[in-house]
Amino acid sequence: DGGITQSPKYLFRKEGQNVTLSCEQNLNHDAMYWYRQDPGQGLRLIYYSQIVNDFQKGDIAEGYSVSREKKESFPLTVTSAQKNPTAFYLCASSIGSSPPFSTDTQYFGPGTRLTVL
Amino acid sequence: QKEVEQNSGPLSVPEGAIASLNCTYSDRGSQSFFWYRQYSGKSPELIMSIYSNGDKEDGRFTAQLNKASQYVSLLIRDSQPSDSATYLCAVNNAGGTSYGKLTFGQGTILTVHP
Repeated sequence: DGGITQSPKYLFRKEGQNVTLSCEQNLNHDAMYWYRQDPGQGLRLIYYSQIVNDFQKGDIAEGYSVSREKKESFPLTVTSAQKNPTAFYLCASSIGSSPPFSTDTQYFGPGTRLTVL
Repeated sequence: QKEVEQNSGPLSVPEGAIASLNCTYSDRGSQSFFWYRQYSGKSPELIMSIYSNGDKEDGRFTAQLNKASQYVSLLIRDSQPSDSATYLCAVNNAGGTSYGKLTFGQGTILTVHP
């Protein structure tokens, strides 16, 4: 089955710890994204990658880091510099890299719920 | 002014009624518009996309776009209790060969009661 997987489903972090959230897709999509969702709010873009070995900061990149070494994988690290990391983290992918980008549609993984203890 | 704003909820409609969800956006260069449905505790799933002015119908769902008024809406006909969810409006300002960003509204909670 084609799709986007995220792991773990739930993650608990102690103060001062770095944690890494996994995102894998087998849709052969070029573009991948990380969003954060807080209760009662929409999604905010953390980082995105249009192609392997390249990524750009989104609106709220501070305290987060990513890598894109493989087309299928786009892991997100929540560092200790992120002061309020408790949130629902969503990974998405889209066909991406070729125009017309205006019709590029993003599809979401099941999400990881991160809680700081 | 928020970039993408949705009508404040929650919205409650009786089963069988039409639910109307509205969204306005500030960037006149926006090219594509999406409606996602998100059940509690789950990730968003795509319902509709619309790129041109006018109406687009898919089953019980109709998306309406008016670029001059910077307004996009989603109508759900014959609403069912299973339609109860948060509906997210998303707007992409990509154009032609330039890569754009998808900006989300804050969501509208819809409850369909029997």
